[in-house]
Amino acid sequence: SAVISQKPSRDICQRGTSLTIQCQVDSQVTMMFWYRQQPGQSLTLIATANQGSEATYESGFVIDKFPISRPNLTFSTLTVSNMSPEDSSIYLCSVDSVRGEQFFGPGTRLTVL
Amino acid sequence: QQQVKQSPQSLIVQKGGISIINCAYENTAFDYFPWYQQFPGKGPALLIAIRPDVSEKKEGRFTISFNKSAKQFSLHIMDSQPGDSATYFCAASRPGSARQLTFGSGTQLTVLP
Repeated sequence: SAVISQKPSRDICQRGTSLTIQCQVDSQVTMMFWYRQQPGQSLTLIATANQGSEATYESGFVIDKFPISRPNLTFSTLTVSNMSPEDSSIYLCSVDSVRGEQFFGPGTRLTVL
Repeated sequence: QQQVKQSPQSLIVQKGGISIINCAYENTAFDYFPWYQQFPGKGPALLIAIRPDVSEKKEGRFTISFNKSAKQFSLHIMDSQPGDSATYFCAASRPGSARQLTFGSGTQLTVLP
């Protein structure tokens, strides 16, 4: 399985600011995914990031709020823009393996005051 | 069509007992059904997965049973241990270059010593 790291592991931010979350994989992968997990809830897909193309966003998520970069096959960033307390969640990146399995990073725990 | 329904929401089992978590799906295009285990403060870890061409898959103490006609699948944890206490998520995905996962709502398992 791929080894995935995320930075920061947690952060406390003020309302109206933005935070960029980094996701690094130890091997080249085609697809990277970003999920949100609200407190005590399940995971919801935010967007799919394919290297060299624009990210594809799920219903309810927009690029202005959650801009994503995918500059190469091992790295991606998710920015949470103009944050409000409702954005307090765990943000997780994941990657596909060649066998179709999906592996998750440790997550970034975001608290917005 | 995209929903995956999971039950029960919480489960308490005695050490050595069998834990059973159930999921049902609607979209017949789903062809991959993984289970994830998540400990507090950690990202979800892939536990076991099944494709609909088989009715059962076993890995150690963990077994997936799959009923294609009923559109249901379940996770059985044999000889449950306190270390199995975690949140379990079922998920499903469709064929394609980007296998976005649709998650169930999660089951919080507590195994009593």
